[in-house]
Amino acid sequence: SQQGEEDPQALSIQEGENATMNCSYKTSINNLQWYRQNSGRGLVHLILIRSNEREKHSGRLRVTLDTSKKSSSLLITASRAADTASYFCATAPISGGYNKLIFGAGTRLAVHP
Amino acid sequence: DVKVTQSSRYLVKRTGEKVFLECVQDMDHENMFWYRQDPGLGLRLIYFSYDVKMKEKGDIPEGYSVSREKKERFSLILESASTNQTSMYLCASSPAADPHGPQHFGDGTRLSIL
Repeated sequence: SQQGEEDPQALSIQEGENATMNCSYKTSINNLQWYRQNSGRGLVHLILIRSNEREKHSGRLRVTLDTSKKSSSLLITASRAADTASYFCATAPISGGYNKLIFGAGTRLAVHP
Repeated sequence: DVKVTQSSRYLVKRTGEKVFLECVQDMDHENMFWYRQDPGLGLRLIYFSYDVKMKEKGDIPEGYSVSREKKERFSLILESASTNQTSMYLCASSPAADPHGPQHFGDGTRLSIL
């Protein structure tokens, strides 16, 4: 399976600190997406970055994409306890069938008050 | 807002039973997906459907089948449940007009097979 990989697997920080999560993937992509999953719930889409983009912002989220290294990072600035969740990257590969996403195993983020 | 509703949040079944997991979306999306989620493995695609009565196998279809008789409803069927099918099952949908775009997820069904 052409699965993305997140790094680190788990991250524990204090409120107000920044959290950085990384994602690596294996094949050429149309775009890369980040999702959040609160405990026991479904995934919620956060942000999408296309293969011809290098950086994208949405509120306190900043995503970068380096297609030469096949990697992406998600930065959450000024974290809050409510940011505690698992974060997944998902790639939309160019080959392998349209509308399919390949998900990584996720990073568990814990933000302590 | 798109709403994807999975019929059960928790389900307990016995080995050998036929199990039905139901998913309904209210945004007229053409594409619907079934994933299973296991710790350390992320989400793995079981089946997806891009139209009524159409289905395609994902990465792990063995032991599962699906049914899409109406556009809004996508059912996952475990023909003869086994303990290794204990997992969290997630349904998602997306519009055909945005083939590489975001998917919208339900809250999942945590299925235990005893």
